[in-house]
Amino acid sequence: GAGVSQSPSNKVTEKGKDVELRCDPISGHTALYWYRQSLGQGLEFLIYFQGNSAPDKSGLPSDRFSAERTGGSVSTLTIQRTQQEDSAVYLCASSTTGKNNQPQHFGDGTRLSIL
Amino acid sequence: GENVEQHPSTLSVQEGDSAVIKCTYSDSASNYFPWYKQELGKGPQLIIDIRSNVGEKKDQRIAVTLNKTAKHFSLHITETQPEDSAVYFCAASITRGKLQFGAGTQVVVTP
Repeated sequence: GAGVSQSPSNKVTEKGKDVELRCDPISGHTALYWYRQSLGQGLEFLIYFQGNSAPDKSGLPSDRFSAERTGGSVSTLTIQRTQQEDSAVYLCASSTTGKNNQPQHFGDGTRLSIL
Repeated sequence: GENVEQHPSTLSVQEGDSAVIKCTYSDSASNYFPWYKQELGKGPQLIIDIRSNVGEKKDQRIAVTLNKTAKHFSLHITETQPEDSAVYFCAASITRGKLQFGAGTQVVVTP
């Protein structure tokens, strides 16, 4: 079946511009996660959505970062007034529920480059 | 919060030999430990996971062991093949499924 889909796969933009990154989770998965992976680094948790519960935003690095999930499916991560340090691969994952012990399945990410 | 350390950062093995990657975690409440393989330009792919009520799990050439007392877990790959070359990440589940990842191990299998 279809996996987690992310778009665009690559995004190049100028410093100061806003960007929107999209994630389509696996159908039926109620939990959705965003992570950031800087060059040669591990994955850093950003935000987590589970059903209709309030999202866990504890990993967002600044108030320039926000995310929403409409209709319990598609999610958009928005970065306002981008900075060069925002350059990274942004990865989305989904799981069947948000409980511990549920495997998270990742998309291939959006590679964001800020000039 | 949870902290996961992973060693080594790079690992070079001859084809056919075994590879072992080790991770330690700090939060004794962590109860789920997945391993991911990431190839260049791709997202991480789950290859095996283990839960805290199990000490060992095996899937063909891949095995994972967990020592809850010492708070460490390891990935073992036997009979390595060139297609095993990739970056491998361990992770621990902190709360509500949120994962804390290790820094990754670059595995190179030479023919």
